[in-house]
Amino acid sequence: EAGVAQSPRYKIIEKRQSVAFWCNPISGHATLYWYQQILGQGPKLLIQFQNNGVVDDSQLPKDRFSAERLKGVDSTLKIQPAKLEDSAVYLCASSLKGLNTGELFFGEGSRLTVL
Amino acid sequence: GQQVMQIPQYQHVQEGEDFTTYCNSSTTLSNIQWYKQRPGGHPVFLIQLVKSGEVKKQKRLTFQFGEAKKNSSLHITATQTTDVGTYFCAGNTGNQFYFGTGTSLTVIP
Repeated sequence: EAGVAQSPRYKIIEKRQSVAFWCNPISGHATLYWYQQILGQGPKLLIQFQNNGVVDDSQLPKDRFSAERLKGVDSTLKIQPAKLEDSAVYLCASSLKGLNTGELFFGEGSRLTVL
Repeated sequence: GQQVMQIPQYQHVQEGEDFTTYCNSSTTLSNIQWYKQRPGGHPVFLIQLVKSGEVKKQKRLTFQFGEAKKNSSLHITATQTTDVGTYFCAGNTGNQFYFGTGTSLTVIP
């Protein structure tokens, strides 16, 4: 079974530039999560989708971050414009059961460095 | 707001020694999960606890969920070098999972 796919693995940009991350969850997983993990900290939820609907985006900085999951499968997370404090690993995860009842399967993550 | 704290933040043990990490939530949890993240890797699911006072074992790992469903612990017996990594608890309030601050385990051969 293929795991959660993310790209790119690494991205270096200058502040005020934009960046987009892509995630393809495990086939059949209805719930998709985007987490931000700053070095030395635990993952922080940015947004949670159930199929193509947003379940929770309360911690998403909506002035600069946006995410979509148009067809209920893969998803894109965008940051525009980036700030220095956005340097982190962006982890995508999916789960079969959804709505916080099942195991989360994480992708390898996309490491963002903002200079 | 919701907080999930873990202690200790770091732990260095000699191979063969035991290790315990504790997770504490400011609010009652509906369930709790534990994940392991190897250096440079991504979190990998270990277990989920749901019932008050629940205890589960996986080989050398023992997981407990407190009676009040506000705290949990992970105990590793006789650590091995393969146990190296950061262990996170993730508490579920019913709305979302809040990941703890993590405990980084170093095992000295």
